[in-house]
Amino acid sequence: GAVVSQHPSWVICKSGTSVKIECRSLDFQATTMFWYRQFPKQSLMLMATSNEGSKATYEQGVEKDKFLINHASLTLSTLTVTSAHPEDSSFYICSARDLKGSETQYFGPGTRLLVL
Amino acid sequence: AQTVTQSQPEMSVQEAETVTLSCTYDTSESNYYLFWYKQPPSRQMILVIRQEAYKQQNATENRFSVNFQKAAKSFSLKISDSQLGDTAMYFCAFMRAGNRDDKIIFGKGTRLHILP
Repeated sequence: GAVVSQHPSWVICKSGTSVKIECRSLDFQATTMFWYRQFPKQSLMLMATSNEGSKATYEQGVEKDKFLINHASLTLSTLTVTSAHPEDSSFYICSARDLKGSETQYFGPGTRLLVL
Repeated sequence: AQTVTQSQPEMSVQEAETVTLSCTYDTSESNYYLFWYKQPPSRQMILVIRQEAYKQQNATENRFSVNFQKAAKSFSLKISDSQLGDTAMYFCAFMRAGNRDDKIIFGKGTRLHILP
């Protein structure tokens, strides 16, 4: 089956630093990748949709200057949390949609971010 | 706008029993997909079952089956012969079909405990 990886799986950083999270589709090409945020015991909240080679589309209320998304190739998207603060601590999940037209989104294992 | 409602925040059943998780949704779209995702303690999102709205036949995957009532906008998940490994958070989800940027809309989830 299709596999999506995320790196790192967890990260601890100091307040004010920037953190980059990578999302890769390992055995397929992804037209579109999605970034979610999940707080404990809550559902997934979509942050943004990214298409290869174009600017990401952010959901209402998500700061695009805070959460920088780059989708440089059909297999890689990155999310950079700039000047991270403790309130940015969360679980970040990416998903990828197959270029071949499958309607299924495949999810990465998630990245746990803790900002001290 | 589409919405997905899961009215059962938490459920517990004995191992080997059958359990049904409820989900209702609201949309004006005619072409869409419905999903049930499982999120175990590892937090990896796992696709359990998928239903195309244009198909009348209910989807089935081994011990998992759905009761799709399109007119009532209801999409329940039945787990037969429940196993300890079924303990997880279950999310019902909706996705409009036809556009590569179509996003998944998740319900708030039902936490399912399978008791030994």
